Amino acid sequence: NAGVTQTPKFQVLKTGQSMTLQCAQDMNHEYMSWYRQDPGMGLRLIHYSVGAGITDQGEVPNGYNVSRSTTEDFPLRLLSAAPSQTSVYFCASALAGAEDTQYFGPGTRLTVL
Amino acid sequence: GENVEQHPSTLSVQEGDSAVIKCTYSDSASNYFPWYKQELGKRPQLIIDIRSNVGEKKDQRIAVTLNKTAKHFSLHITETQPEDSAVYFCAASGGSYIPTFGRGTSLIVHP
Repeated sequence: NAGVTQTPKFQVLKTGQSMTLQCAQDMNHEYMSWYRQDPGMGLRLIHYSVGAGITDQGEVPNGYNVSRSTTEDFPLRLLSAAPSQTSVYFCASALAGAEDTQYFGPGTRLTVL
Repeated sequence: GENVEQHPSTLSVQEGDSAVIKCTYSDSASNYFPWYKQELGKRPQLIIDIRSNVGEKKDQRIAVTLNKTAKHFSLHITETQPEDSAVYFCAASGGSYIPTFGRGTSLIVHP
């Protein structure tokens, strides 16, 4: 099993550009989520999904969209990048939701100029 | 929703000393409390967890205690080693689909 994979590992964008961060897992986990990590702010939840076709907002959803068309994939779209979105983004998955181990991907370091 | 407070934000100890990181939570429905370790440049990984029907759990040099009445749980690391240097996150869950994380503690173990 590859576990949770994320692409790209690094990305530099200009303000106003759009892009999609990819996340995939091969563990047949129902629950998937996206976090951003900023210094001193911990892991803040952006969006999450409890199964294919179901998504919901987390703590900091503005400027981001998600979709969950398959169990395996959970892409995060930045609609119009802003410098405030410079961060490290982690995707995570879990078999049984909140009361189960969260498996994190390796992260994507995004810089918006 | 759930709110998790974690202290201290930075903890510096000498090799061989003990380290304690404390978290409090607000939602009395929370019943699962994991701890994650994140080494520099790496992803967070689960190191230990505890459920609300248990007061303490140990795994070699690490232990976690839970006081549900006070809504308080702690991570204890004994005989710290330089490889314990990392950021540690507590989390609480049970009242919603996704766990709520604390802001993290940067543990520095000096040789």
